[in-house]
Amino acid sequence: ETGVTQSPTHLIKTRGQQVTLRCSSQSGHNTVSWYQQALGQGPQFIFQYYREEENGRGNFPPRFSGLQFPNYSSELNVNALELDDSALYLCASSLGLAIREQFFGPGTRLTVL
Amino acid sequence: QQQVKQSPQSLIVQKGGISIINCAYENTAFDYFPWYQQFPGKGPALLIAIRPDVSEKKEGRFTISFNKSAKQFSLHIMDSQPGDSATYFCAARPGSDYKLSFGAGTTVTVRA
Repeated sequence: ETGVTQSPTHLIKTRGQQVTLRCSSQSGHNTVSWYQQALGQGPQFIFQYYREEENGRGNFPPRFSGLQFPNYSSELNVNALELDDSALYLCASSLGLAIREQFFGPGTRLTVL
Repeated sequence: QQQVKQSPQSLIVQKGGISIINCAYENTAFDYFPWYQQFPGKGPALLIAIRPDVSEKKEGRFTISFNKSAKQFSLHIMDSQPGDSATYFCAARPGSDYKLSFGAGTTVTVRA
């Protein structure tokens, strides 16, 4: 059984650019959540996908968007990057909505210059 | 606003000592309280979790104590080891929602 994987590991972008981050959920998991973790802070919920549909969203602007594919892998897209978007972006998968336990990937470190 | 308040921000403990991290919440709809351990450069790893119908849960050297009336819960790390040096996050989630709300984290350093 493979765990949650994310790519790329690190990314450097400039203000105004767009970025796509990728996540492969743990085998058999159909629910993916994305979190933003600023340096020295706890993760903040961005949104969740269940069976290819957005199932819930945190306090993030529309320039944060996502997708989930039929194999349950997921993408996080951020448009018009701002300096404050610099953070560790974490993906977490779970085995369905009724299952509470979420398992996190190693994250993608995004730096916006 | 921070829905889960965590303290202390950091703590140092001697090897073999007890580390205690406290969390408090306001939202009475929360009904699932996990703790995560995070090492530098890694994602958070689920350590132990509790539901509010239980006052204590123990797994190895890790114990969660839960006080529903005070809306507080804590993590105790017994016989702390240098390998326990990490950042610990408490979190909470309501039954009607799937969003985890995290505390700000506690950095634990265990001195040999």
